[in-house]
Amino acid sequence: AQSVTQLDSQVPVFEEAPVELRCNYSSSVSVYLFWYVQYPNQGLQLLLKYLSGSTLVESINGFEAEFNKSQTSFHLRKPSVHISDTAEYFCAVSEYQGAQKLVFGQGTRLTINP
Amino acid sequence: DTEVTQTPKHLVMGMTNKKSLKCEQHMGHRAMYWYKQKAKKPPELMFVYSYEKLSINESVPSRFSPECPNSSLLNLHLHALQPEDSALYLCASSQEGRGYNEQFFGPGTRLTVL
Repeated sequence: AQSVTQLDSQVPVFEEAPVELRCNYSSSVSVYLFWYVQYPNQGLQLLLKYLSGSTLVESINGFEAEFNKSQTSFHLRKPSVHISDTAEYFCAVSEYQGAQKLVFGQGTRLTINP
Repeated sequence: DTEVTQTPKHLVMGMTNKKSLKCEQHMGHRAMYWYKQKAKKPPELMFVYSYEKLSINESVPSRFSPECPNSSLLNLHLHALQPEDSALYLCASSQEGRGYNEQFFGPGTRLTVL
């Protein structure tokens, strides 16, 4: 069975500062990796995903994540954050076989201070 | 139409009540999901329907009864719930097929059990 660990439950940063949200996973088989964002009182939105190929994946709003197989990590980064990035961020995995079953990490609350 | 809708947005019910949550999508997706999200926790998968048939039940108590009357609709019937069942209930849908299919989430129904 797979599991996901998000190392920080809360990350406060100042606006326009860089940020990294850390995610490590454990699985005995090949996995797909995801970052989801949840704004207050809303459902989840897919931010970016790693399926195969290039280990660096990017979103349209400036986030990027890098898949590191040797360290079993998929950390999320943004070079300059905005107030609007305040949200809960969830790292998730699913196995190649049985890709319907998403397993989420505990979440990281990103708070942007002016 | 690229959204998943859920009704009602909020629901308060007593432990002896019977109520239903409704989820609808018109994206032609043939897989639909129910997740439960407790406060400050990640979503947890409850049920998956594939081509209107129940394919995954994550050992959910029988007081939760899912139903998929057609490919666009997913219901969750609630009966004799407990206060600890209070949570945000998220519905999602995706294409069905081998490999990865992105799950699209609805905004959720916030359920309070008194």
